[in-house]
Amino acid sequence: DTGVSQDPRHKITKRGQNVTFRCDPISEHNRLYWYRQTLGQGPEFLTYFQNEAQLEKSRLLSDRFSAERPKGSFSTLEIQRTEQGDSAMYLCASSHGGGSSGNTIYFGEGSWLTVV
Amino acid sequence: QKEVEQNSGPLSVPEGAIASLNCTYSDRGSQSFFWYRQYSGKSPELIMSIYSNGDKEDGRFTAQLNKASQYVSLLIRDSQPSDSATYLCAVNRGATNKLIFGTGTLLAVQP
Repeated sequence: DTGVSQDPRHKITKRGQNVTFRCDPISEHNRLYWYRQTLGQGPEFLTYFQNEAQLEKSRLLSDRFSAERPKGSFSTLEIQRTEQGDSAMYLCASSHGGGSSGNTIYFGEGSWLTVV
Repeated sequence: QKEVEQNSGPLSVPEGAIASLNCTYSDRGSQSFFWYRQYSGKSPELIMSIYSNGDKEDGRFTAQLNKASQYVSLLIRDSQPSDSATYLCAVNRGATNKLIFGTGTLLAVQP
Protein backbone atom coordinates (compact mmCIF):
# COMPACT_ATOMS: atom_id res chain seq x y z
CA ASP A 1 0.00 0.00 0.00
CA THR A 2 1.62 3.26 -1.11
CA GLY A 3 -1.01 5.62 0.27
CA VAL A 4 -1.02 7.78 3.39
CA SER A 5 -1.09 5.55 6.46
CA GLN A 6 -2.44 6.53 9.88
CA ASP A 7 -2.27 4.76 13.20
CA PRO A 8 -4.23 4.04 15.29
CA ARG A 9 -7.43 4.10 13.31
CA HIS A 10 -9.56 4.35 16.43
CA LYS A 11 -8.74 5.55 19.92
CA ILE A 12 -10.99 5.83 22.95
CA THR A 13 -9.45 7.68 25.86
CA LYS A 14 -10.50 9.15 29.14
CA ARG A 15 -10.63 12.90 29.56
CA GLY A 16 -7.30 14.21 30.75
CA GLN A 17 -5.20 11.50 29.15
CA ASN A 18 -2.65 12.14 26.41
CA VAL A 19 -2.97 10.58 22.97
CA THR A 20 -0.60 10.38 20.02
CA PHE A 21 -1.38 9.70 16.39
CA ARG A 22 1.14 8.70 13.75
CA CYS A 23 1.08 9.43 10.04
CA ASP A 24 3.25 7.95 7.31
CA PRO A 25 2.89 10.00 4.12
CA ILE A 26 3.31 8.84 0.54
CA SER A 27 7.04 8.24 0.30
CA GLU A 28 8.07 10.92 -2.21
CA HIS A 29 5.82 13.61 -0.73
CA ASN A 30 7.62 16.37 1.13
CA ARG A 31 4.52 18.15 2.43
CA LEU A 32 2.44 16.70 5.25
CA TYR A 33 -0.77 18.13 6.67
CA TRP A 34 -2.97 17.50 9.68
CA TYR A 35 -6.68 18.25 9.58
CA ARG A 36 -9.50 17.70 12.07
CA GLN A 37 -13.04 16.86 11.09
CA THR A 38 -16.13 16.78 13.28
CA LEU A 39 -19.56 15.49 12.34
CA GLY A 40 -21.29 17.58 9.71
CA GLN A 41 -18.27 19.76 9.05
CA GLY A 42 -15.57 19.80 6.44
CA PRO A 43 -11.96 19.10 7.43
CA GLU A 44 -10.33 21.98 9.32
CA PHE A 45 -6.66 22.70 8.76
CA LEU A 46 -4.45 22.25 11.83
CA THR A 47 -0.85 22.38 10.67
CA TYR A 48 1.53 21.44 7.88
CA PHE A 49 5.16 20.53 7.37
CA GLN A 50 7.51 20.88 4.47
CA ASN A 51 10.10 18.21 5.10
CA GLU A 52 10.86 18.50 8.82
CA ALA A 53 9.92 22.17 9.16
CA GLN A 54 6.52 23.06 10.59
CA LEU A 55 5.55 26.01 8.43
CA GLU A 56 2.08 26.91 9.62
CA LYS A 57 -0.17 26.25 12.57
CA SER A 58 -3.84 27.09 12.77
CA ARG A 59 -5.24 29.18 15.60
CA LEU A 60 -7.38 26.08 16.24
CA LEU A 61 -4.27 24.33 17.47
CA SER A 62 -4.19 25.06 21.19
CA ASP A 63 -1.14 24.61 23.39
CA ARG A 64 -2.32 21.10 24.17
CA PHE A 65 -1.66 20.06 20.60
CA SER A 66 1.81 19.44 19.24
CA ALA A 67 2.96 17.98 15.97
CA GLU A 68 6.38 16.82 14.87
CA ARG A 69 8.02 15.46 11.78
CA PRO A 70 11.55 14.83 13.02
CA LYS A 71 13.18 13.36 9.94
CA GLY A 72 10.90 14.72 7.30
CA SER A 73 9.19 11.38 6.87
CA PHE A 74 6.51 10.25 9.35
CA SER A 75 4.72 12.70 11.64
CA THR A 76 3.09 12.52 15.05
CA LEU A 77 0.25 14.57 16.46
CA GLU A 78 0.01 14.58 20.24
CA ILE A 79 -2.94 15.88 22.23
CA GLN A 80 -2.26 16.44 25.90
CA ARG A 81 -4.91 16.53 28.62
CA THR A 82 -7.66 15.54 26.22
CA GLU A 83 -11.08 17.15 26.49
CA GLN A 84 -14.41 15.89 25.19
CA GLY A 85 -14.33 18.62 22.55
CA ASP A 86 -11.26 16.95 21.06
CA SER A 87 -13.41 14.05 19.88
CA ALA A 88 -13.09 14.09 16.10
CA MET A 89 -11.48 12.39 13.15
CA TYR A 90 -7.88 13.47 12.72
CA LEU A 91 -6.84 13.35 9.10
CA CYS A 92 -3.32 13.30 7.78
CA ALA A 93 -2.59 14.21 4.18
CA SER A 94 0.47 14.61 2.00
CA SER A 95 1.45 16.23 -1.25
CA HIS A 96 4.47 16.62 -3.48
CA GLY A 97 5.77 20.19 -3.39
CA GLY A 98 3.31 22.99 -3.07
CA GLY A 99 1.94 26.30 -4.18
CA SER A 100 1.04 25.55 -7.76
CA SER A 101 -1.44 23.54 -9.73
CA GLY A 102 -0.94 19.83 -9.81
CA ASN A 103 0.19 19.39 -6.21
CA THR A 104 -2.72 17.27 -5.21
CA ILE A 105 -3.28 16.55 -1.54
CA TYR A 106 -4.04 12.93 -0.67
CA PHE A 107 -5.67 11.94 2.59
CA GLY A 108 -5.13 8.97 4.83
CA GLU A 109 -7.97 6.93 6.29
CA GLY A 110 -8.11 9.08 9.41
CA SER A 111 -7.77 8.42 13.12
CA TRP A 112 -10.98 8.56 15.12
CA LEU A 113 -10.65 9.93 18.62
CA THR A 114 -13.37 9.55 21.23
CA VAL A 115 -12.81 11.23 24.59
CA VAL A 116 -15.06 9.90 27.34
CA GLN B 1 -18.81 34.92 5.55
CA LYS B 2 -17.21 31.52 5.36
CA GLU B 3 -14.27 31.17 3.01
CA VAL B 4 -15.88 28.26 1.16
CA GLU B 5 -19.64 27.86 1.15
CA GLN B 6 -21.74 24.91 0.11
CA ASN B 7 -25.36 24.03 0.57
CA SER B 8 -25.40 21.21 3.12
CA GLY B 9 -28.31 19.45 1.42
CA PRO B 10 -29.39 16.78 1.28
CA LEU B 11 -29.63 16.94 -2.47
CA SER B 12 -31.84 14.10 -3.64
CA VAL B 13 -31.81 13.01 -7.29
CA PRO B 14 -33.23 9.93 -9.01
CA GLU B 15 -30.90 7.31 -10.44
CA GLY B 16 -29.76 8.27 -13.93
CA ALA B 17 -30.31 12.00 -13.43
CA ILE B 18 -27.71 14.76 -13.37
CA ALA B 19 -26.64 15.92 -9.93
CA SER B 20 -25.44 19.51 -9.71
CA LEU B 21 -23.33 20.56 -6.73
CA ASN B 22 -22.31 24.16 -6.15
CA CYS B 23 -19.65 25.98 -4.19
CA THR B 24 -18.67 29.63 -3.74
CA TYR B 25 -15.44 30.99 -2.29
CA SER B 26 -14.51 34.37 -0.90
CA ASP B 27 -10.78 34.76 -1.59
CA ARG B 28 -10.13 36.03 -5.11
CA GLY B 29 -6.51 34.91 -4.75
CA SER B 30 -7.54 31.27 -4.75
CA GLN B 31 -5.75 29.32 -7.44
CA SER B 32 -6.75 25.68 -7.34
CA PHE B 33 -10.08 24.03 -6.73
CA PHE B 34 -10.92 20.49 -5.78
CA TRP B 35 -13.89 18.25 -5.27
CA TYR B 36 -13.57 15.42 -2.77
CA ARG B 37 -16.09 12.67 -2.16
CA GLN B 38 -16.54 11.39 1.38
CA TYR B 39 -18.54 8.33 2.29
CA SER B 40 -19.92 8.16 5.81
CA GLY B 41 -17.16 7.28 8.27
CA LYS B 42 -14.44 7.40 5.62
CA SER B 43 -11.81 9.94 4.65
CA PRO B 44 -12.10 12.35 1.70
CA GLU B 45 -11.24 10.98 -1.72
CA LEU B 46 -10.21 13.31 -4.54
CA ILE B 47 -12.45 13.08 -7.58
CA MET B 48 -11.77 16.28 -9.56
CA SER B 49 -9.39 19.20 -9.66
CA ILE B 50 -9.68 22.36 -11.75
CA TYR B 51 -7.31 25.29 -12.11
CA SER B 52 -8.58 27.49 -14.94
CA ASN B 53 -11.90 28.95 -15.98
CA GLY B 54 -14.22 26.68 -17.91
CA ASP B 55 -15.17 23.05 -17.80
CA LYS B 56 -13.12 19.96 -17.09
CA GLU B 57 -14.60 16.55 -17.76
CA ASP B 58 -13.56 13.18 -16.37
CA GLY B 59 -15.91 10.33 -17.08
CA ARG B 60 -19.30 11.08 -15.56
CA PHE B 61 -17.91 14.08 -13.67
CA THR B 62 -17.60 17.65 -14.95
CA ALA B 63 -16.10 20.44 -12.87
CA GLN B 64 -16.87 24.03 -13.80
CA LEU B 65 -14.95 27.08 -12.63
CA ASN B 66 -15.86 30.75 -12.93
CA LYS B 67 -13.26 32.85 -11.15
CA ALA B 68 -15.04 36.13 -11.89
CA SER B 69 -18.09 34.88 -10.02
CA GLN B 70 -15.97 32.95 -7.50
CA TYR B 71 -18.00 29.86 -8.22
CA VAL B 72 -17.15 26.19 -8.66
CA SER B 73 -19.56 23.42 -9.51
CA LEU B 74 -19.56 19.68 -10.00
CA LEU B 75 -21.93 17.87 -12.31
CA ILE B 76 -22.43 14.14 -12.00
CA ARG B 77 -24.11 12.60 -15.02
CA ASP B 78 -26.05 9.34 -14.92
CA SER B 79 -26.07 9.42 -11.11
CA GLN B 80 -25.81 6.03 -9.41
CA PRO B 81 -26.79 5.01 -5.87
CA SER B 82 -23.07 4.46 -5.25
CA ASP B 83 -22.57 8.21 -5.79
CA SER B 84 -24.50 8.86 -2.58
CA ALA B 85 -21.98 10.59 -0.34
CA THR B 86 -20.93 14.00 0.94
CA TYR B 87 -19.15 16.11 -1.66
CA LEU B 88 -16.59 18.52 -0.29
CA CYS B 89 -15.44 21.58 -2.19
CA ALA B 90 -11.88 22.67 -1.34
CA VAL B 91 -9.90 25.72 -2.34
CA ASN B 92 -6.14 26.25 -2.39
CA ARG B 93 -5.02 29.82 -1.94
CA GLY B 94 -1.61 29.21 -3.36
CA ALA B 95 1.73 29.45 -1.66
CA THR B 96 1.04 27.18 1.28
CA ASN B 97 -0.89 24.60 -0.72
CA LYS B 98 -3.28 24.58 2.24
CA LEU B 99 -6.80 23.46 1.42
CA ILE B 100 -9.81 25.25 2.84
CA PHE B 101 -12.92 23.09 2.81
CA GLY B 102 -16.60 23.80 2.70
CA THR B 103 -18.95 21.91 4.98
CA GLY B 104 -19.95 19.56 2.16
CA THR B 105 -23.17 18.74 0.34
CA LEU B 106 -24.86 15.43 1.07
CA LEU B 107 -26.02 13.78 -2.15
CA ALA B 108 -28.61 11.03 -2.07
CA VAL B 109 -29.26 9.14 -5.32
CA GLN B 110 -32.58 7.35 -5.17
CA PRO B 111 -32.81 3.97 -6.97
